Amino acid sequence: EAGVAQSPRYKIIEKRQSVAFWCNPISGHATLYWYQQILGQGPKLLIQFQNNGVVDDSQLPKDRFSAERLKGVDSTLKIQPAKLEDSAVYLCASGRLSGPNYGYTFGSGTRLTVV
Amino acid sequence: SQQGEEDPQALSIQEGENATMNCSYKTSINNLQWYRQNSGRGLVHLILIRSNEREKHSGRLRVTLDTSKKSSSLLITASRAADTASYFCATAAGGQNFVFGPGTRLSVLP
Repeated sequence: EAGVAQSPRYKIIEKRQSVAFWCNPISGHATLYWYQQILGQGPKLLIQFQNNGVVDDSQLPKDRFSAERLKGVDSTLKIQPAKLEDSAVYLCASGRLSGPNYGYTFGSGTRLTVV
Repeated sequence: SQQGEEDPQALSIQEGENATMNCSYKTSINNLQWYRQNSGRGLVHLILIRSNEREKHSGRLRVTLDTSKKSSSLLITASRAADTASYFCATAAGGQNFVFGPGTRLSVLP
């Protein structure tokens, strides 16, 4: 099966600009996650979708970050305006089933540099 | 905090040697996963072990879980240069999502 697709692969923007990332999960995977991974750290969950509904967005900085998953398939994550500390790799993952009893499949990520 | 923490932070071994990484956590968990991340890539799921399991194997990988000590270990036997990567444990408690630790960076030297 095809993996989780993410684009762009890299993005460099100036602070206060906006940026959007796109994720296409594995076909049939109902659950989709966005993670932020700062250099040298483990991934931190930003938001979890189940189909097109939000299950967990408790760690999403909602004043600047937004995400949507229209039609329950692909998803976009937006940052507006970006700050220097948003420099990180943004990983998308999908899972066939929800919950902590199953492994996820990760995309290769989008590396964001805010200058 | 539920977050697991891997030990050591970095590990360097020769090809053919075994590599052991540990993960400690603070609260009771339902299960624990190990992931591998090659440089510049996404994470690859290795093994999930449930709280009622003590040991699982997958190829050259062996994972143990000791819930009394709140710790897990990942053993890679007969390591290869291709095993060079960061390894993360992720713990889940209750119905919550997995929380990742900071990772162990493994270097396997040819």
